Amino acid sequence: AQKITQTQPGMFVQEKEAVTLDCTYDTSDQSYGLFWYKQPSSGEMIFLIYQGSYDEQNATEGRYSLNFQKARKSANLVISASQLGDSAMYFCAMREDYISGNTGKLIFGQGTTLQVKP
Amino acid sequence: EAQVTQNPRYLITVTGKKLTVTCSQNMNHEYMSWYRQDPGLGLRQIYYSMNVEVTDKGDVPEGYKVSRKEKRNFPLILESPSPNQTSLYFCASSLSLGQGGVGVGYTFGSGTRLTVV
Repeated sequence: AQKITQTQPGMFVQEKEAVTLDCTYDTSDQSYGLFWYKQPSSGEMIFLIYQGSYDEQNATEGRYSLNFQKARKSANLVISASQLGDSAMYFCAMREDYISGNTGKLIFGQGTTLQVKP
Repeated sequence: EAQVTQNPRYLITVTGKKLTVTCSQNMNHEYMSWYRQDPGLGLRQIYYSMNVEVTDKGDVPEGYKVSRKEKRNFPLILESPSPNQTSLYFCASSLSLGQGGVGVGYTFGSGTRLTVV
């Protein structure tokens, strides 16, 4: 069954430094999408970045980049130049395709809480 | 503004008192879904809907009902809430995979923090 694993319940990073949040996934499908969402203390879910399984280049969005290693089934989020406002919970998610009896839902990891220290 | 509107934001209720959490989207999305978020478990899908009058169970459907009579609305109904349904609930919508492929992410509502005492 498809699964997302985030092994870091909590992380600390110094302001202005880079940080990597780990995400591994498990699927036997060839077609899937990988997403990262940010959830600040206010609770809303904010989309950060997307990587398609067939994309050859790693996705980047401003200070966010996704380190996609398909053979290792990992999709780590890299945040460069951390800011205090980056303190939040981060979720890795995978969207399955309509094959193999899948429903097309987003499957989420357990989340990683990031705290940025001044 | 394209959005998913979820109400209420906060709700405290008593065991057994029926309640409905409303969800409405203005993006003409076919796919809608409800999730609950619990510490250490991430977000788990409760129910989803591929289109009007088409709904199906997700991973944790027990104790919940949904309906999709109109494309824009997807209410979540708790007929007899219990304390183990205390959670943060999210409604989300997206294009169907047939319209956008696996690259279509969700647009989330602001969440409903439900406490059942």
